[in-house]
Amino acid sequence: GPKVLQIPSHQIIDMGQMVTLNCDPVSNHLYFYWYKQILGQQMEFLVNFYNGKVMEKSKLFKDQFSVERPDGSYFTLKIQPTALEDSAVYFCASSFASSNSDYTFGSGTRLLVI
Amino acid sequence: AQKVTQTQTSISVMEKTTVTMDCVYETQDSSYFLFWYKQTASGEIVFLIRQDSYKKENATVGHYSLNFQKPKSSIGLIITATQIEDSAVYFCAMREGMPNYNVLYFGSGTKLTVEP
Repeated sequence: GPKVLQIPSHQIIDMGQMVTLNCDPVSNHLYFYWYKQILGQQMEFLVNFYNGKVMEKSKLFKDQFSVERPDGSYFTLKIQPTALEDSAVYFCASSFASSNSDYTFGSGTRLLVI
Repeated sequence: AQKVTQTQTSISVMEKTTVTMDCVYETQDSSYFLFWYKQTASGEIVFLIRQDSYKKENATVGHYSLNFQKPKSSIGLIITATQIEDSAVYFCAMREGMPNYNVLYFGSGTKLTVEP
C-alpha cells in the first residue's frame, strides 16, 4: 500500500544544535502529523498540519519546534535548539481526511541528542 | 488523565490460539473512532482495524476482530489462530470529534509474544 517515507532513519546530534526531520507523506493525503515515542512508551501527539497551517498542537510541541511543508517538498519537523529530552523516535503520519480516515505512519526517525 | 488505557503490559500465547487484548477509553463525545495498530520489531506501525462508535456491529478484518462494549467504554482486540509473526506491540487508539478531531490518542501498548 501507499507509504510515508521518513528521512533520515537515525540522527545523532549535539545538544543545542538544530535538527530537521523530513517526511514524505502519501501523495493524495491532506493532513500531516508528528508523534513522539520515547523508548518503550506510547506514542504521543505533537502536532497536525493542514492546508499550510498548524491545526492543533500538544504541550509537547515546545517553542523550539516548528513544522512546515513548502510546496512540493517534505513535511518537516525542525527542532532548534535541541535538548537531551528530545531524544526519541519521531513518527510522521498522514491521512486523506479528518473524519474516520486511517492514518498511514512512517517508520520513524530515531533521534539521539547527546 | 489517560484517554486510552491498556492495562496488559505483555501477553504470551501459543501459536494457533486466540488472544484478547484489552483497551478502555474515556471520552465525552458522542461520536468517536477507535483503532488498533501494531508496531513490529523494526518499529513499523501498521493499521489493523477500526471501530466507529455509531456502529453496533463489531468490526472484523481477517483474523482480527473487535469486542466493542460501548457502555463499558471498552474496545478489545481479538486475534484468532495466532501466528509467530503476530508477535508485536499492539496499540489501541482513539480519535474524538471537534475540536481535536485530528488527534489520535494512544494507549501504552501491549506486547504480544506468540510462541511455537
